[in-house]
Amino acid sequence: GAVVSQHPSWVICKSGTSVKIECRSLDFQATTMFWYRQFPKQSLMLMATSNEGSKATYEQGVEKDKFLINHASLTLSTLTVTSAHPEDSSFYICSAGNRDRGYEQYFGPGTRLTVT
Amino acid sequence: QKEVEQDPGPLSVPEGAIVSLNCTYSNSAFQYFMWYRQYSRKGPELLMYTYSSGNKEDGRFTAQVDKSSKYISLFIRDSQPSDSATYLCAMTTNAGGTSYGKLTFGQGTILTVHP
Repeated sequence: GAVVSQHPSWVICKSGTSVKIECRSLDFQATTMFWYRQFPKQSLMLMATSNEGSKATYEQGVEKDKFLINHASLTLSTLTVTSAHPEDSSFYICSAGNRDRGYEQYFGPGTRLTVT
Repeated sequence: QKEVEQDPGPLSVPEGAIVSLNCTYSNSAFQYFMWYRQYSRKGPELLMYTYSSGNKEDGRFTAQVDKSSKYISLFIRDSQPSDSATYLCAMTTNAGGTSYGKLTFGQGTILTVHP
């Protein structure tokens, strides 16, 4: 399978600051990357879909001004949590797919964000 | 009613047992089916990917899809303690554009294989 990395794996930040999470597809070109949020003992919740070179498409209820997504290349997408608050503390996971290869989707290892 | 139903378990089996995990779905537009394994505090790992009715085998894992019944299964043979994890079924349509690749997940089944 394909390899997707995320950085950092764990971050603690103070309330009001911004945090950037990187998602990289290491061995294939990701035309599309997805950002998920996962709460303990729950399934994944899709936040947004980003296509390389295009604006992200956000799911209903997700604040686009708070969760800034950039997908500038076929190997890198970033999620910036702006003005983070304790309720933004969660496990954020990205996944990557290539629409020319089909519908397989590969996930990164996740980033645990704690806002104090 | 959720689009995808998966028994959350938990499921506990002895080492060496055959494990059967199942999901049912209601949306007939789903065409592609995946099984992921997720260890605690890790991202999901793709185990199986299928796009037609029938069986697909990979090592100890067999994925089964029955589109007429809207039912998918994952079988794990000779289960090992290292198989202890949460198993998620996921599926998607063949939509393109902004709907490409949107996965609908089951709730996940927590599996424990004890020695």
